[in-house]
Amino acid sequence: DAGVIQSPRHEVTEMGQEVTLRCKPISGHNSLFWYRQTMMRGLELLIYFNNNVPIDDSGMPEDRFSAKMPNASFSTLKIQPSEPRDSAVYFCASTLNSSYEQYFGPGTRLTVT
Amino acid sequence: SQKIEQNSEALNIQEGKTATLTCNYTNYSPAYLQWYRQDPGRGPVFLLLIRENEKEKRKERLKVTFDTTLKQSLFHITASQPADSATYLCALYTGGFKTIFGAGTRLFVKA
Repeated sequence: DAGVIQSPRHEVTEMGQEVTLRCKPISGHNSLFWYRQTMMRGLELLIYFNNNVPIDDSGMPEDRFSAKMPNASFSTLKIQPSEPRDSAVYFCASTLNSSYEQYFGPGTRLTVT
Repeated sequence: SQKIEQNSEALNIQEGKTATLTCNYTNYSPAYLQWYRQDPGRGPVFLLLIRENEKEKRKERLKVTFDTTLKQSLFHITASQPADSATYLCALYTGGFKTIFGAGTRLFVKA
């Protein structure tokens, strides 16, 4: 298996622009997580999907953030409009059961100038 | 408030020695505790999972203990190697869907 796939790996954008991050989970996994990692705050859970349904988005910082999972093999995290404080590494992770070990993608390093 | 604490200072040890990393938590009653390894520029990689009714778990050179009374987990790497240098994260699963990650401890193993 190719593992969790994320794209792009790096994104540099200007403040105010829309950013879309993409994730393809491991085939057969029914849970998907989006995390944000910064030096100051560590790894923070943004949103969790189970069987393509968003279960809890209480970690999403603001209305500027939205996430979708239209099918079992694809999810997006969108930031509109982006701000410099959104600069971080965004990880997608999937698992077969929400309680088991998570498999992380390589991350997307986002820089908003 | 709920908190997970890992030593924020880097741990420097000599090759061949045993590295011991600590994870303390407050106000959680985790059903499972996990340890992950993260290398620079990469996502965390799962290493070990230990359940609340297990005291100890081993995998090759790795050993994890879980003391729910002390609210502490210890992560040991025996016969450490320079390739073990990385950041190690502990993570608590408390039920429902959330896994809460600690900030991690950086380990440097010198040859």
